[in-house]
Amino acid sequence: EVQLVESGGGLVQPGKSLRLSCAASGFTFNDYAMHWVRQVPGKGLEWVSSINWNTVDIDYADSVKGRFTISRDNAKSSLYLQMNSLRAEDTALYYCAKDAHFACDFWGQGTMVTVSS
Amino acid sequence: QSALTQPASVSGSPGQSITISCTGTSSDVGGYNFVSWYQQHPGKAPKLIIYEVSNRPSGISNRFSGSKSGNTASLTISGLQAEDEADYYCNSYTSSNTRVFGGGTKVTVL
Repeated sequence: EVQLVESGGGLVQPGKSLRLSCAASGFTFNDYAMHWVRQVPGKGLEWVSSINWNTVDIDYADSVKGRFTISRDNAKSSLYLQMNSLRAEDTALYYCAKDAHFACDFWGQGTMVTVSS
Repeated sequence: QSALTQPASVSGSPGQSITISCTGTSSDVGGYNFVSWYQQHPGKAPKLIIYEVSNRPSGISNRFSGSKSGNTASLTISGLQAEDEADYYCNSYTSSNTRVFGGGTKVTVL
């Protein structure tokens, strides 16, 4: 059974940093690209970033480019999102998702990030 | 990276069919057959229901079907059931190697 468990969310002040983690199990992690997707409570989904299996292909939404860094550790079956220079508009529930056929076929339950002073 | 355009809400009676549109550009929906659809119930994570325009993952009811014409993709739910009441989002691969979601459509079963 595929499982994705996010962690690392919390309350952080504007301008500070936070690192999210996603622990994967139930599939061969290093065979798949992975994504981060966020959702402001009560609002729609926003794709944030993706990374392919060997970290050669990495992409970001314009809204986070230059501030967020996606990475992965295939030996630990883990995905990460380093978030710097956080802003109030980064407040959201952050999901990690597994890629298949250019879609997100499995999702975690999300970790909440709140940026506020 | 403008969001794909979806209607804010669609409603139908049990047993009816409804269609949700998802309009993009030739740089996303129209340029690639990498459109996917997600169902999200309140308080739950999104669930993939259609990938590559019209393919259903294992376990997804054949009441859900997808199609595309030009820059517009569509999701049709036939034989509408109470459990189909949820938010639905489309997503597309883009020419910038990024992904873009639609704004979401709330489906109400009357």
